[in-house]
Amino acid sequence: AQTVTQSQPEMSVQEAETVTLSCTYDTSENNYYLFWYKQPPSRQMILVIRQEAYKQQNATENRFSVNFQKAAKSFSLKISDSQLGDTAMYFCAFIHVNNAGNMLTFGGGTRLMVKP
Amino acid sequence: KAGVTQTPRYLIKTRGQQVTLSCSPISGHRSVSWYQQTPGQGLQFLFEYFSETQRNKGNFPGRFSGRQFSNSRSEMNVSTLELGDSALYLCASSFTGTGGEKLFFGSGTQLSVL
Repeated sequence: AQTVTQSQPEMSVQEAETVTLSCTYDTSENNYYLFWYKQPPSRQMILVIRQEAYKQQNATENRFSVNFQKAAKSFSLKISDSQLGDTAMYFCAFIHVNNAGNMLTFGGGTRLMVKP
Repeated sequence: KAGVTQTPRYLIKTRGQQVTLSCSPISGHRSVSWYQQTPGQGLQFLFEYFSETQRNKGNFPGRFSGRQFSNSRSEMNVSTLELGDSALYLCASSFTGTGGEKLFFGSGTQLSVL
């Protein structure tokens, strides 16, 4: 069974600065996907970024980028130029590539506060 | 295009009762999955339906059940409610539900069991 660990329960960052959220995972599988989801106070989970394990290049989406270290089973999220709207819970998640049924395994989450 | 719609937004029940939650996926999406979110256990997968068939099930007791209709709308039911069932129940939809596909989540149903 796979596990996902987020070691930072809470973090804060000043507006316009950069912050990195950590995530480690454990799996015996070789082909999988990793995700970062954002959950603002509205409670709706929003996909921030997705990484395919077989791709060595780190995924980027505008101000969001990841540092994917497959051998170390590490998947951190970097948020550049932080904005007040980035304040939310952030969840790291894993799914095996052959999984049929959207059975994501989530980490415990990191609460990010962006301060003005 | 309308997003994933969950009803109701809030629900208060008492122990021993049963409850039914509803999820309408994005038009064209045939996979609907359900997650339970609690402060103690975090986000846990309940089950997933595709074309009216349950394909995957998490580690929850039989009191938790679900179904999917021909229009892809899904319902989940919890019978004999316990205090520990208090949680945010999130529904997500996607086209095929295969690994790695982008999931679209609803805003959830907050269930309180008294």
